[in-house]
Amino acid sequence: VLTQSPGTLALSPGERATLSCRASQIVDSNFLAWYQQKPGQAPRLLIYGASSRATGTPDRFSGSGSGTDFTLTISRLEPEDFAVYYCQQYGNSPQTFGQGTKVEIK
Amino acid sequence: QVQLQESGPGLVKPSQTLSLTCTVSGVSISTGDYYWSWIRQSTGKGLDWIGNIYNTGSTYYSYNPSLKSRVSISGDASKNQFTLRLDSVTAADTAVYYCARDQGPLALEYWGQGTLVTVSS
Repeated sequence: VLTQSPGTLALSPGERATLSCRASQIVDSNFLAWYQQKPGQAPRLLIYGASSRATGTPDRFSGSGSGTDFTLTISRLEPEDFAVYYCQQYGNSPQTFGQGTKVEIK
Repeated sequence: QVQLQESGPGLVKPSQTLSLTCTVSGVSISTGDYYWSWIRQSTGKGLDWIGNIYNTGSTYYSYNPSLKSRVSISGDASKNQFTLRLDSVTAADTAVYYCARDQGPLALEYWGQGTLVTVSS
């Protein structure tokens, strides 16, 4: 089970966002990904392997962590970053997703 | 450019079988070290991994145990498609269904746009 916190994060553009994802058991090989989802769209891969940026991911997005505790940081929020973010572990079967963190405009 | 597109009925009656097809362009589903996956998202809720198929040379399947008795995924290399079948559906299976390419260590980079399936009589 992946538990994301907080459920909602209300911030202003330019602020720093820190999102947490905690696993109930060690994520094998740190196979932890982060996705961004906007209304009516499919999820978009941002981070894989806990800390590697996917193609096209801006460098204001960074992932960190290992074992059971992982973090997604957005250094300075841009207007297009307000969305829902999901973590996913794909090191253990079945793959599972967190319940999501909504980043909304304060 | 890799693209995936889901297709299939938007309405399925309870107890019937849900069948969706994902058409892939830009890459062959029978080459490369990729798994071809299905994920669903109930309205206003999170994401659930359904399963995947590996179709290069030998064929391997992996399914979510919560659905294993009802789900099957197959591939058709000649059409460059893979298909999801979910038997004995109920209202709880109402969701947006996505197909995606699972790149192993590189996670789910390519997704279809999703298709809404409603289970209702």
